Formats: sequence, structure tokens, C-alpha cells
Amino acid sequence: TQLLEQSPQFLSIQEGENLTVYCNSSSVFSSLQWYRQEPGEGPVLLVTVVTGGEVKKLKRLTFQFGDARKDSSLHITAAQPGDTGLYLCAGKNAGNNRKLIWGLGTSLAVNP
Amino acid sequence: EPEVTQTPSHQVTQMGQEVILRCVPISNHLYFYWYRQILGQKVEFLVSFYNNEISEKSEIFDDQFSVERPDGSNFTLKIRSTKLEDSAMYFCASTSSGSGFIQYFGAGTRLSVL
Repeated sequence: TQLLEQSPQFLSIQEGENLTVYCNSSSVFSSLQWYRQEPGEGPVLLVTVVTGGEVKKLKRLTFQFGDARKDSSLHITAAQPGDTGLYLCAGKNAGNNRKLIWGLGTSLAVNP
Repeated sequence: EPEVTQTPSHQVTQMGQEVILRCVPISNHLYFYWYRQILGQKVEFLVSFYNNEISEKSEIFDDQFSVERPDGSNFTLKIRSTKLEDSAMYFCASTSSGSGFIQYFGAGTRLSVL
């Protein structure tokens, strides 16, 4: 069974601080996606990383895919209250099926 | 911007009743999915659907569940006899090769079984 472990599970920081959340697995994924989910809403895609070692930036968010395509990280610079939410990683395995394997998420609270 | 739409946003039902959750995927997408998320737990894969048939299903997707694409636009999930433990958010997603197989999600249907 493929598993994705996210850490930390909860994170509460002050506005302006930097943070990194992690998504780890013992399995290889063909791609990995990061989503943000607000309470009562569906996941909204932030980024997809495909190549081992790939780094993608989305404004103050930096996403990295591990060289072995087993892990990923999300770094937020100068966090703002608007960044508050649940950050989920989801991996697509290397087989032909396209289902997503999900982590439990990191719940981020950025306090003003 | 095209989006996946789901109805209803909230469904309340009595245990043992049948429910149908509806989804309208993005119009040119060919692969469709249902996921569920029990409160406080991970998003879980239920089923994938392509070319008018199920391509993969999880162990959660037992005989009480079925999916259908009754016309060219709708994709439905039916639960025949709901149980208390079916209470969850149900998300529909769609994708295509044209989107790089990135899955786009609807806002979800909250199912409450009483």
C-alpha cells in the first residue's frame, strides 16, 4: 500500500515567518501534486511536480520534488494570514492507473 | 474558467435510504473520479471511470456503490442503502490528456446519514 506522510500535521506561526511542510513516502510517484483545501470545499490544485529534483515557484510558495520522486516539500516565505488553510499532497503512482494517493495534510494557521 | 460542479452541496438522508450524488465534469475531460473524505481523515480514492466503464475501484467501493454516466455531461455516484459511516464529503474530479492528467476537483457534496 502506498502511503504519503505529511509533516507537521498542524502548524501555527506569526505573519512574516517562513515555514516548510513535508510530504514523504517510501514509494516512487510519477508525479506529485500539492493542493490547498478550505473548510467545506474541494481541494484546489496549486502545483504539479513531475521530474526528480524539480523546483517550482508560485509567488511566495516554493515546491520541490525529491530526486528519487519519493518526497516533496512546500516552503512558504513571509507567510500571510491569507495562506491559512489545509495543504495536501497527492501522488500519482507510476502504473497506468491515475488515482491519487493522498496525505493527511498540514493545517496551517498564520496569525496576524 | 471551466470547473467541475457538484450537486447538491449538502445531502441529508436517513440510514438505509438511497442517495445519488451528481457531478458535471469539465466538458472535454474523459476520465472521472470519485473520492471521499471523512471528517478529519484523508481523502480516499473510491473509483475511476473511463470510456463508460469503471477502470479501477478501491476496497471501499463495494456493492452498495455504483457510478454512471447517464448522458454526455453528468457523472453520478449512487449509494444504494446508506450507512452511518458513509457520512463524508464526496468529491468528484475529472482529467484528460489535454490537461496533463491533472485532476480538477469539484467543491464536494457533504453527505450526512442520520
